[in-house]
Amino acid sequence: DQQVKQNSPSLSVQEGRISILNCDYTNSMFDYFLWYKKYPAEGPTFLISISSIKDKNEDGRFTVFLNKSAKHLSLHIVPSQPGDSAVYFCAAGGTASKLTFGTGTRLQVTL
Amino acid sequence: DGGITQSPKYLFRKEGQNVTLSCEQNLNHDAMYWYRQDPGQGLRLIYYSQIVNDFQKGDIAEGYSVSREKKESFPLTVTSAQKNPTAFYLCASSSARDTTPLHFGNGTRLTVT
Repeated sequence: DQQVKQNSPSLSVQEGRISILNCDYTNSMFDYFLWYKKYPAEGPTFLISISSIKDKNEDGRFTVFLNKSAKHLSLHIVPSQPGDSAVYFCAAGGTASKLTFGTGTRLQVTL
Repeated sequence: DGGITQSPKYLFRKEGQNVTLSCEQNLNHDAMYWYRQDPGQGLRLIYYSQIVNDFQKGDIAEGYSVSREKKESFPLTVTSAQKNPTAFYLCASSSARDTTPLHFGNGTRLTVT
């Protein structure tokens, strides 16, 4: 039972444009959501998070949007840069100790 | 520099052998975790520990064992009972507060033949 889904396994975006990565969840008890970025053969690095009391959180080029009624969150990267090419995982949990991760979306930023 | 060290980066074993993956952190975090990543799948939780001398099973604990004798260390043993041990194993830690993100090590790729 996949409680956190990333339906797009890959995404290709031109440098300078917006990248939008999507994530859907099914468990209404989730109240803490995170995005991680992962390069090959490395561990994921934390990017940005949002709690369920907010619908938007911004950090530089990265913005996460949360739509609780639709059980959907998205990560916007503006402008996209070649160094953003990586696999992005969304994660959700009721507490940080029991995060459930999505399957990841591979982002390719082309020149 | 604070961080999480996993060793070795690559590990090869023959089927039927137990193998222990090392994870050490110097972040002074109370909680530590082991995840497994397989191609096309998300990170799946194997075991976690929120305090020394205590640990809980995650979603896929069968065939694995852990210990938490020191705050800094959380080794994972992949036993011969694990049916599909070949995978990328990630160790993580966090402070005990609920809304802090996990910090990950760089992983160990285990290949069992």
